[in-house]
Amino acid sequence: NAGVTQTPKFRILKIGQSMTLQCTQDMNHNYMYWYRQDPGMGLKLIYYSVGAGITDKGEVPNGYNVSRSTTEDFPLRLELAAPSQTSVYFCASSYSGRGSTEAFFGQGTRLTVV
Amino acid sequence: TQLLEQSPQFLSIQEGENLTVYCNSSSVFSSLQWYRQEPGEGPVLLVTVVTGGEVKKLKRLTFQFGDARKDSSLHITAAQPGDTGLYLCAGAGTNSGGSNYKLTFGKGTLLTVNP
Repeated sequence: NAGVTQTPKFRILKIGQSMTLQCTQDMNHNYMYWYRQDPGMGLKLIYYSVGAGITDKGEVPNGYNVSRSTTEDFPLRLELAAPSQTSVYFCASSYSGRGSTEAFFGQGTRLTVV
Repeated sequence: TQLLEQSPQFLSIQEGENLTVYCNSSSVFSSLQWYRQEPGEGPVLLVTVVTGGEVKKLKRLTFQFGDARKDSSLHITAAQPGDTGLYLCAGAGTNSGGSNYKLTFGKGTLLTVNP
């Protein structure tokens, strides 16, 4: 199985441009997440989804949008890119085991906004 | 507010040494996970602990969940260069009503094991 696949792996955007980060998983997980990781700051939750058609904001949603039309796909949209959005973005999916949640991550998208 | 504090932030040791890293919180978690992340990759799950006082072993790695389910530790015996990476703890479900499927991550401990 491929697990969680993110594209692209690298991208440079100019200020004000838009782009979509793609994420797909083949594990039939209900839950999907987008995190950003900045140096020394751990992982911050941007948006998450508990199933197709359902999304909700995480800690740092401003400047981003998501959609979840299928179980497999969870794209992240950046509108009007800003330098503060320079980061590494990780998509993850999970199932809910008894008393636990275990996340599987993609390899990340390194985004630079100049 | 950062719910999970990891220490130390950086750790550089020689091959063969032992080490312990810590993950502390003022919140109770229903479960806690440890992940390892290598450069250019996403985090990979090492272990999940669920029961207060639980101890799990994964080869040379020993994980412990505190009795009150607020803290955890990771002990590595006889560290090897292959253990180098960023170790992240993540908690699910808090006594403040957090959802069980949302993980809160610490900032991580960056471990370097020198040959």
